[in-house]
Amino acid sequence: DIQLTQSPSSLSASVGDRVSLTCRASQSMSTYLNWYQQKPGQAPKLLIYAASILQGGVPSRFSGHGAGTDFTLTITNLQPEDSAVYYCQQTYSILGPFGGGTKVEI
Amino acid sequence: QVQLVESGGGLVKPGGSLRLSCAASGFNFSDYYMTWMRQGPGKGLEWIVYISGSGLSMSDVESVRGRFTVSRDNAKNSLFLEMNNLRVEDTAVYYCARARVPLNYYGMDVWGQGTTVTVSS
Repeated sequence: DIQLTQSPSSLSASVGDRVSLTCRASQSMSTYLNWYQQKPGQAPKLLIYAASILQGGVPSRFSGHGAGTDFTLTITNLQPEDSAVYYCQQTYSILGPFGGGTKVEI
Repeated sequence: QVQLVESGGGLVKPGGSLRLSCAASGFNFSDYYMTWMRQGPGKGLEWIVYISGSGLSMSDVESVRGRFTVSRDNAKNSLFLEMNNLRVEDTAVYYCARARVPLNYYGMDVWGQGTTVTVSS
């Protein structure tokens, strides 16, 4: 099984900042990587699929990059509503594990 | 609008059974793969099963194999998860989620609000 390691586990930033979250895979998986945002008490929300494609309706301040084993979710111009836990998910192997998440505090 | 609504969660003793349901609306249900995810208390997400649009293809993770069965009724726009021989470690919020094909490309783009399953004596 491919394992995903997210870093940092948490971070604190200010409104207007630019933050980058990392997801590292234990083996190469092309661009089969998705990013989700989960706010307390809510279901996850798809932000990015196929490593870099923005899901419809998601603000353009979110962007994804990477391929192989190293992936990044970048949030520019951080907003108060971006406070959440962010998870990466690999779909190179179906039913594979999610990353452990990065908690972003504003 | 596009919506998924889960139901059927509750408190059950170890070894017991539950049947979760997910009612879909606002889209052509049979066109989509459907999945069940779960999230234990204070834990991350786990993708546990999927089923194809036709219902003919499905798979699950080892931790639920032989105990959980996924099914769907396209005529009723409904997804089900039959859970037997439940264990304490199955305690979680269970989400149904929609997936476009190919399954490994688009991600899960619509999620329900979740239903809570608690396994405890």
